[in-house]
Amino acid sequence: KAGVTQTPRYLIKTRGQQVTLSCSPISGHRSVSWYQQTPGQGLQFLFEYFSETQRNKGNFPGRFSGRQFSNSRSEMNVSTLELGDSALYLCASSSLVNTEAFFGQGTRLTVV
Amino acid sequence: DQQVKQNSPSLSVQEGRISILNCDYTNSMFDYFLWYKKYPAEGPTFLISISSIKDKNEDGRFTVFLNKSAKHLSLHIVPSQPGDSAVYFCAASATGGADGLTFGKGTHLIIQP
Repeated sequence: KAGVTQTPRYLIKTRGQQVTLSCSPISGHRSVSWYQQTPGQGLQFLFEYFSETQRNKGNFPGRFSGRQFSNSRSEMNVSTLELGDSALYLCASSSLVNTEAFFGQGTRLTVV
Repeated sequence: DQQVKQNSPSLSVQEGRISILNCDYTNSMFDYFLWYKKYPAEGPTFLISISSIKDKNEDGRFTVFLNKSAKHLSLHIVPSQPGDSAVYFCAASATGGADGLTFGKGTHLIIQP
């Protein structure tokens, strides 16, 4: 069974630009969550999607948004990038039973 | 306000001995707890979880203990092996499952030969 796939693995963007990250969950998993990992703040929850609906949202500004498609694939978008948005962005998927969340390898975003 | 705290940034243990990683939480609504292991440049890997209706869960070398009154959980690894060297994250949720997780900042476990 293929794991959670995140693309791209690495990304360099300039301040003010926008970026879209992609996540393909494990086949059959309908819940996709996004997390931001930075050295200072650790792993922080961004939002969670289930069946194309945002079910849960963390404490991030509106520049961070996401969506989920009918095949459960998810994208997250960050607009008007700031230097502080440089981080590892992790996607996790879980099944209906929801007792484990499986993480992808992450997308390393660098804002210059 | 950090709702999940791992107060030891690092821990060094000899190979073959027991590793004990600790985690404290403040939110009494948390009802599901998980431990993850993370290597550099990889996503976290799920290790073990525990529901708030239990006080212990065991899986091979890994055991998680939950003390709800103290709002404390711990992960025991016995015996510790070199491959266990990694950063360990404690996570909690108030949804009864593994979504909307609140993570601690991690403990870097170093297993010494």
